[in-house]
Amino acid sequence: DGGITQSPKYLFRKEGQNVTLSCEQNLNHDAMYWYRQDPGQGLRLIYYSQIVNDFQKGDIAEGYSVSREKKESFPLTVTSAQKNPTAFYLCASSIGHGSYEQYFGPGTRLTVT
Amino acid sequence: AQSVTQLGSHVSVSEGALVLLRCNYSSSVPPYLFWYVQYPNQGLQLLLKYTTGATLVKGINGFEAEFKKSETSFHLTKPSAHMSDAAEYFCAVSEDNDMRFGAGTRLTVKP
Repeated sequence: DGGITQSPKYLFRKEGQNVTLSCEQNLNHDAMYWYRQDPGQGLRLIYYSQIVNDFQKGDIAEGYSVSREKKESFPLTVTSAQKNPTAFYLCASSIGHGSYEQYFGPGTRLTVT
Repeated sequence: AQSVTQLGSHVSVSEGALVLLRCNYSSSVPPYLFWYVQYPNQGLQLLLKYTTGATLVKGINGFEAEFKKSETSFHLTKPSAHMSDAAEYFCAVSEDNDMRFGAGTRLTVKP
């Protein structure tokens, strides 16, 4: 079955620690995305990647970092510089960047205390 | 730059009643428009999309949406609500390689 996997489903960290969220897709999609979801605010774009070894900042990139060393993988690191990291994080992919529908993973709920 | 406005953060309907979720957009060119559904603690799933052509778009689970250029709207409807339709719904607009999501509308279905 083709799709996007995110792991883990729930993640707990202490303040001051970096944490990496996993996102893998087997859809052979070129573009991948990371969104943050907070209640009542919809989805906000953190980073996106149009192709391997390339990525661009979204609207709220501060305190986050990404890499795209393989087509199928796009991990997100939430650094200690992110002031309010507790949120639901969604990874998505699409055939190409732009006007194509995006396919979403199940999400990772990160809680930082 | 485009933007998306979903009117009503919460909508409540009775089972069997019409579902109407409103979405208005601003865009300088004809956009691509999407509706997604999100069940609790899950990712988003595409319901339907408008790209070009017929302005009435049919999607999964009995939902449909009509693109009205003159009103810059893309409202989502379903003739008869089912309990399983309870979820959060997101409208999205894509223009110039940039996709923007609305803030979402939570649909509650009462028995």
